Amino acid sequence: EAGVAQSPRYKIIEKRQSVAFWCNPISGHATLYWYQQILGQGPKLLIQFQNNGVVDDSQLPKDRFSAERLKGVDSTLKIQPAKLEDSAVYLCASKTGQSFGTQYFGPGTRLTVL
Amino acid sequence: GIQVEQSPPDLILQEGANSTLRCNFSDSVNNLQWFHQNPWGQLINLFYIPSGTKQNGRLSATTVATERYSLLYISSSQTTDSGVYFCAVERTGGGNKLTFGTGTQLKVEL
Repeated sequence: EAGVAQSPRYKIIEKRQSVAFWCNPISGHATLYWYQQILGQGPKLLIQFQNNGVVDDSQLPKDRFSAERLKGVDSTLKIQPAKLEDSAVYLCASKTGQSFGTQYFGPGTRLTVL
Repeated sequence: GIQVEQSPPDLILQEGANSTLRCNFSDSVNNLQWFHQNPWGQLINLFYIPSGTKQNGRLSATTVATERYSLLYISSSQTTDSGVYFCAVERTGGGNKLTFGTGTQLKVEL
């Protein structure tokens, strides 16, 4: 079974530029998550999708971050414009739609904003 | 929100030593996972253990849900065990969202 795929693996941009990350979850997983992990901290949830609908985006800085999962499969996370404090690893995870069960994480995208 | 505390924050072991990592949480949970984050940043699932005890090779974990803690045991540690160990929980009725602890940074030396 293929795992969660993410691209790119690394990205370096200047502040005020835009960037987009892509995630393809495990086949059949209805729930998809985006997490932000700042160096030295644990991952923090940005947004949670159930199929193509948003379940929770309370921690997403909506003035600059956006995410979509149009067909209920893969997802993109965008930052526009980027700030220095957005430097982090962005992790995508997926899970079946059931309440119980394991979340599986992708390899992450390491973003550096200069 | 739910609070997740891990201890110790840092741990240095000699190869071959055993260790116990602890995770305390402040509310009832329906999911608890232990992860190992390797030096390349990949989060590797170790255990899905909302209650009970599980073992996988040199690793084992126990969660006592009624007392709101979980333990991760590493026996005969190897240098490849180095990295950060995270405990993460989903609060019961919390909408299937993982809240991560602050992690334990483990270094295993020869």
